[in-house]
Amino acid sequence: RKEVEQDPGPFNVPEGATVAFNCTYSNSASQSFFWYRQDCRKEPKLLMSVYSSGNEDGRFTAQLNRASQYISLLIRDSKLSDSATYLCVVRPNDYKLSFGAGTTVTVRA
Amino acid sequence: DAMVIQNPRYQVTQFGKPVTLSCSQTLNHNVMYWYQQKSSQAPKLLFHYYDKDFNNEADTPDNFQSRRPNTSFCFLDIRSPGLGDAAMYLCATSRGQGQGRSTDTQYFGPGTRLTVL
Repeated sequence: RKEVEQDPGPFNVPEGATVAFNCTYSNSASQSFFWYRQDCRKEPKLLMSVYSSGNEDGRFTAQLNRASQYISLLIRDSKLSDSATYLCVVRPNDYKLSFGAGTTVTVRA
Repeated sequence: DAMVIQNPRYQVTQFGKPVTLSCSQTLNHNVMYWYQQKSSQAPKLLFHYYDKDFNNEADTPDNFQSRRPNTSFCFLDIRSPGLGDAAMYLCATSRGQGQGRSTDTQYFGPGTRLTVL
């Protein structure tokens, strides 16, 4: 079983729509959780950390459910510039990060 | 200004011909990482250095080696590249210090795309 699993998508949504997707992780002792964004043929960039109480950053909302071991990301009022692959990232211990393979979102005009 | 720099951005090598990828950082971070990412797959950690301490992942092939001559630079050496080694190679850094270790953010370089002919 993979450490982090994501629905690869793609999620095709019109501008202004809301899109949400989850990922699950296998290591219940995981310490920290993140969403990274990766544009085509570019490096991953930190989008936001995910806190136990849930957190928002503008149009982005992240939730963590430790009991069910899943993390979600919701994007409101989608922009064309939100088109990217979103990587779910979990820190099982110390310095390592475990990446999901990503969920692709395409926002169309 | 770029904080994690990788050179070259694109590298073409021949099957079996050794190749070295370079990473440098201006952040003075303690930890440097090398990841391999193939198309539509998750980045896969190959190894990392905490300062001079080398930490190899159990499933990293012996064909992959690394050197960190000083804080700023880290190299990935592929001794005999095979067709299956064609990928994007990502270097990342993090502070790795203090109580915030569990929330230590990794900063990625732009990657080197390796093609093996």
